[in-house]
Parts: sequence; C-alpha cells; structure tokens
Amino acid sequence: GQQLNQSPQSMFIQEGEDVSMNCTSSSIFNTWLWYKQDPGEGPVLLIALYKAGELTSNGRLTAQFGITRKDSFLNISASIPSDVGIYFCAGLRTYKYIFGTGTRLKVLA
Amino acid sequence: DADVTQTPRNRITKTGKRIMLECSQTKGHDRMYWYRQDPGLGLRLIYYSFDVKDINKGEISDGYSVSRQAQAKFSLSLESAIPNQTALYFCATRTGESLNTEAFFGQGTRLTVV
Repeated sequence: GQQLNQSPQSMFIQEGEDVSMNCTSSSIFNTWLWYKQDPGEGPVLLIALYKAGELTSNGRLTAQFGITRKDSFLNISASIPSDVGIYFCAGLRTYKYIFGTGTRLKVLA
Repeated sequence: DADVTQTPRNRITKTGKRIMLECSQTKGHDRMYWYRQDPGLGLRLIYYSFDVKDINKGEISDGYSVSRQAQAKFSLSLESAIPNQTALYFCATRTGESLNTEAFFGQGTRLTVV
C-alpha cells in the first residue's frame, strides 16, 4: 500500500534549536495534515493545510503545503523537551488518510 | 473521559486465538477507521466505515474483520491471530463534513501474539 516518504526518520536536537521535517509523495493530495504522537498515546492533529502553497502556523509550529501538492514540511522553532514524540504527516484523498512513516524527535535538555 | 475509547489497552494472546478489539466514540462521527502501527512503517489502514451499513477494506485487511455495531462502535477482530499481527492498533473517527478533515484517534491497543 502507498505510504508517504517522511524524513528524517529520527533526530536528536538540543533544546532551543529549530527542527525541520518533510514529507513527499508520488501522488497529489488535496489536504495535508501533521500529527504528533506522544508516547503511549494516539496521534493528535497539529496543523491542517488545504491549499497548494499555503503556509500555516500554530504557535512554534509552521507547516507548508507544497506548490506541486506532492509535498509538505513542518518546522518547529525553539524546541523544548515536551516536543519529544513521533511526528506524522498525512495526506487526505477520497476520504482516506495516507500516513507518512514518522519522524521520531528527541530533544536534549 | 476520552472521546475515542479503545479496549483493551494491552493484550497478549496466543497464536490461533480469536481476539476482538473494541472502539467506541462519543463525538457523533459517522466515519470510523482502524489503523495498525509498526515501527518505521507509520500507520496503515486496515478497515474503514462511513456509516453502520458501510464497511470498506483498507490496504492491509487480510487476516482481519470488522463490525460496525452502531454509529458509536466499531470493532476489529483477528479470527486466528498470528505473531506478525503483533502491533499497536488505533481506532480513529472523523465527521462526514467534507471541510472538516481532522481525525480523532483513540489511545491505542498494544497487541502481542505469542
């Protein structure tokens, strides 16, 4: 089955650093979403993107919907320890979500 | 209380046993989904349902079956569990309104097949 290519797979960063991760697909999506999964919990929506080229922020998070509709990136500025977790991108097509493979983020205090 | 509740949270079962994972939601959503999460593979869709009379296979439905007993309840069954079905399973719900794309996830069921 199709999955989205997400990179990096994992990253260790120092507290206060900025983080960037991206997601690519061979197919077009009309909606991109970014989710975060805390340990022992289900994914929770961070940002939803609905329009090619759209740039949306949610606090320290910024995400963009690629102009080709085949990619998206998520930036986290000034990371803090509670940013630790797995970040998933997801594309929505015909009522189904296709998820990326996840980026595991670890923040060193 | 959580909007999307999965039971059990953890389960260890033997190969060949039948097991049912349950999901209930209080959000009044029409659409419900079952996903499987494996390390490095993200979330993969097993089955989804748009209403009580609508059941659809996802990308990895082999070895699984589902039942939509009511709008609020969607259960996943493994008829004869095998070790490679060891994974973290998530139920999710979503409104049928096309402009609202957020899916809400349960806390997950960690299943181990020995």
